[in-house]
Amino acid sequence: SQKIEQNSEALNIQEGKTATLTCNYTNYSPAYLQWYRQDPGRGPVFLLLIRENEKEKRKERLKVTFDTTLKQSLFHITASQPADSATYLCALDSSGGSYIPTFGRGTSLIVHP
Amino acid sequence: EAQVTQNPRYLITVTGKKLTVTCSQNMNHEYMSWYRQDPGLGLRQIYYSMNVEVTDKGDVPEGYKVSRKEKRNFPLILESPSPNQTSLYFCASRNIGEKLFFGSGTQLSVL
Repeated sequence: SQKIEQNSEALNIQEGKTATLTCNYTNYSPAYLQWYRQDPGRGPVFLLLIRENEKEKRKERLKVTFDTTLKQSLFHITASQPADSATYLCALDSSGGSYIPTFGRGTSLIVHP
Repeated sequence: EAQVTQNPRYLITVTGKKLTVTCSQNMNHEYMSWYRQDPGLGLRQIYYSMNVEVTDKGDVPEGYKVSRKEKRNFPLILESPSPNQTSLYFCASRNIGEKLFFGSGTQLSVL
């Protein structure tokens, strides 16, 4: 069956360090992958989208990589700040034609001052 | 401003009393979807719609109804709510291949 896995344990890091979050998937042929940020009780907010033929995408302090051989995406936040503390969700769109996005359960990031 | 508007933000009701959560988007998006979010379970899709008059079940459709009579609106209907439908609900929309825009959420409590 199709599965998207994100680390369920919270990631705790110190301010200024780089946070790296992982999204692994199985039994998908993704057309593209997206990362969202969610604050408690709020709707997810789009951060970055990367397509299957792209290896890396950057936006300010954010970087996403996409390895379709390893079936994995890594999401990096450089020079992290306490304001980056949130839950980060990855979402996959399958290339099967339906283009229905499916979400991972998210990883909580806590940046300590 | 591009947005997905969801109402109400909070709703407390009793078992069996029909309710509707409204969702409207102003971006002319084809795709709209409803999710519920419960602790530890992430976002689970209830229903989605690829266009007007086209709706399909998601992963957890039991106990819910939707309609898509106009492109901008996609209401979620609970005909006979039960306590296990207590959850945080999100509406979302997008054009195919683009990012999702989410509403601000509806916290529903069924007593």
